[in-house]
Amino acid sequence: AQTIHQWPVAEIKAVGSPLSLGCTIKGKSSPNLYWYWQATGGTLQQLFYSITVGQVESVVQLNLSASRPKDDQFILSTEKLLLSHSGFYLCAWSPRLGGLEQYFGPGTRLTVL
Amino acid sequence: GEKVEQHESTLSVREGDSAVINCTYTDTASSYFPWYKQEAGKSLHFVIDIRSNVDRKQSQRLIVLLDKKAKRFSLHITATQPEDSAIYFCAASTGSNYQLIWGSGTKLIIKP
Repeated sequence: AQTIHQWPVAEIKAVGSPLSLGCTIKGKSSPNLYWYWQATGGTLQQLFYSITVGQVESVVQLNLSASRPKDDQFILSTEKLLLSHSGFYLCAWSPRLGGLEQYFGPGTRLTVL
Repeated sequence: GEKVEQHESTLSVREGDSAVINCTYTDTASSYFPWYKQEAGKSLHFVIDIRSNVDRKQSQRLIVLLDKKAKRFSLHITATQPEDSAIYFCAASTGSNYQLIWGSGTKLIIKP
């Protein structure tokens, strides 16, 4: 069975500080990977997607970057946090071939002060 | 670009009754329509989806209807239970660009 982990569970960070959020998928080879951001009580905004190691496509610019250093790992980061980065960050995966259904990780709640 | 509109921001129904959540989309090329459930403070959980080659799909108490002419799809929850209380999100995709376009969510409240 596939499992998806996100770390950390929650973060409280200062404006201007760096950030790194991680996501790991186990039990699935070469998945498509996605990062989403959700403002408190708000809709979902897709940030990035990746269909293979080393390749990441940006969907929207929010002063964030993403990388896929391994087949099962997806990293979201920024060098300088803004207040507007606060929210719930969700990683998701879908099967490489034919699968449009996305499965979400437990999420990381980020508070920027 | 594609837009998905979710018409009910909040829906309150009595336990045992049916709930219907409606979404419309703008891109006629959209072919995949999933629904997700988000309980308070938690992540999203896939509940059901429908593809454009069918107009109805059922999974236990969940029914999804798709009207391609009207560019509308809906989630019907029959015999509602307290555990159905959550925010439900609809989404649409053309299936070709690795993107889901999301509705704004409907908070479903099940009253005893």
